[in-house]
Amino acid sequence: EAGVAQSPRYKIIEKRQSVAFWCNPISGHATLYWYQQILGQGPKLLIQFQNNGVVDDSQLPKDRFSAERLKGVDSTLKIQPAKLEDSAVYLCASSTWTVYGYTFGSGTRLTVV
Amino acid sequence: DAKTTQPPSMDCAEGRAANLPCNHSTISGNEYVYWYRQIHSQGPQYIIHGLKNNETNEMASLIITEDRKSSTLILPHATLRDTAVYYCIVKGANSKLTFGKGITLSVRP
Repeated sequence: EAGVAQSPRYKIIEKRQSVAFWCNPISGHATLYWYQQILGQGPKLLIQFQNNGVVDDSQLPKDRFSAERLKGVDSTLKIQPAKLEDSAVYLCASSTWTVYGYTFGSGTRLTVV
Repeated sequence: DAKTTQPPSMDCAEGRAANLPCNHSTISGNEYVYWYRQIHSQGPQYIIHGLKNNETNEMASLIITEDRKSSTLILPHATLRDTAVYYCIVKGANSKLTFGKGITLSVRP
């Protein structure tokens, strides 16, 4: 089974620029998550999708972050404009009700300078 | 979701058992104990989960106390590749996976 694919692997941008991350979940996984992991901390959930609908986006800074999941498959997470404190690893995960664990991708490491 | 408490770090010798403790004194009756690990520069990886009974799979064993207020993840024969951050998470069936800081396990040669 192919894993969760994320791209790019690394990204460096200047503050106030915009950036987008892409995630392709495991085939058939209806639920998709975006997490933010700041250095030295555990991952923090930003948004959860069920198929193409948002289930939970309570921790998403909506003034600058947006996410979509078109056709209930791939997803993109966008930051516009980026701030220095957005420097982190952005992790995508997917799950299905028949499997207990979440499967995570390797993440995108964002550095804002 | 109930919170968990883990020591910040521990180490063990390669080939020996690694016993990682976790306290979850406020766990509810319908909440599971999950363990994930995160190797450097990778995403978290699911290890095992349990409700009441002890569980074992190809990666590890999970021992949950009778009162469910604490648990121990056991890696029976630790290798250098087991060096990672291990997260103990309490989660209900329909709730989200919430990570703490975890415990850093260092396996020494």
